Amino acid sequence: QQQVKQSPQSLIVQKGGISIINCAYENTAFDYFPWYQQFPGKGPALLIAIRPDVSEKKEGRFTISFNKSAKQFSLHIMDSQPGDSATYFCAASIVKQAGTALIFGKGTTLSVSS
Amino acid sequence: DTAVSQTPKYLVTQMGNDKSIKCEQNLGHDTMYWYKQDSKKFLKIMFSYNNKELIINETVPNRFSPKSPDKAHLNLHINSLELGDSAVYFCASSPAPSSGKDTQYFGPGTRLTVL
Repeated sequence: QQQVKQSPQSLIVQKGGISIINCAYENTAFDYFPWYQQFPGKGPALLIAIRPDVSEKKEGRFTISFNKSAKQFSLHIMDSQPGDSATYFCAASIVKQAGTALIFGKGTTLSVSS
Repeated sequence: DTAVSQTPKYLVTQMGNDKSIKCEQNLGHDTMYWYKQDSKKFLKIMFSYNNKELIINETVPNRFSPKSPDKAHLNLHINSLELGDSAVYFCASSPAPSSGKDTQYFGPGTRLTVL
């Protein structure tokens, strides 16, 4: 119940294309769903996050779509750029509980070709 | 103006040695964490502390001992290092739930290699 399943494991997209990464969860107590971006040799950094009371959140070229009934959420990167090439992790947590950890998906390595 | 810092960045050591990794955050956060990232990039929680109190202690060997001298610091001490301990260890911090802000901020990581 604590797992977050992420797909695909790797993704190659042409510059200007749309990158889509999907995640699914089981624990209905999760109330916070962030996406983290990690470049080689760096720590993960928050990209965008959503709460389950909204179905979509957009920040620039990045959009999270959230389907509470299906227990799925996805990241869409519009107009993908070579600088977006990184590993992306979805995650989930229960923020009401102090010290609750992020449960991460296994990551998606995105390569944007120019 | 580093938010979450870790030292050292790289740590190479022999099996059986004892080593420590230090973490400091200057964000004024109440909660700090240690995560382990394995060779396949999978990130998994090891420990979390809230106001110096241990909250989460996942199924981590007791060779790993976190210590929080104050809210801004969370150190990780590892005894009798084994080959399987080789990984990247990330420290993170987050504000209190009452703040309404949920983001966990990660440090740059410490790459531990056990020979």
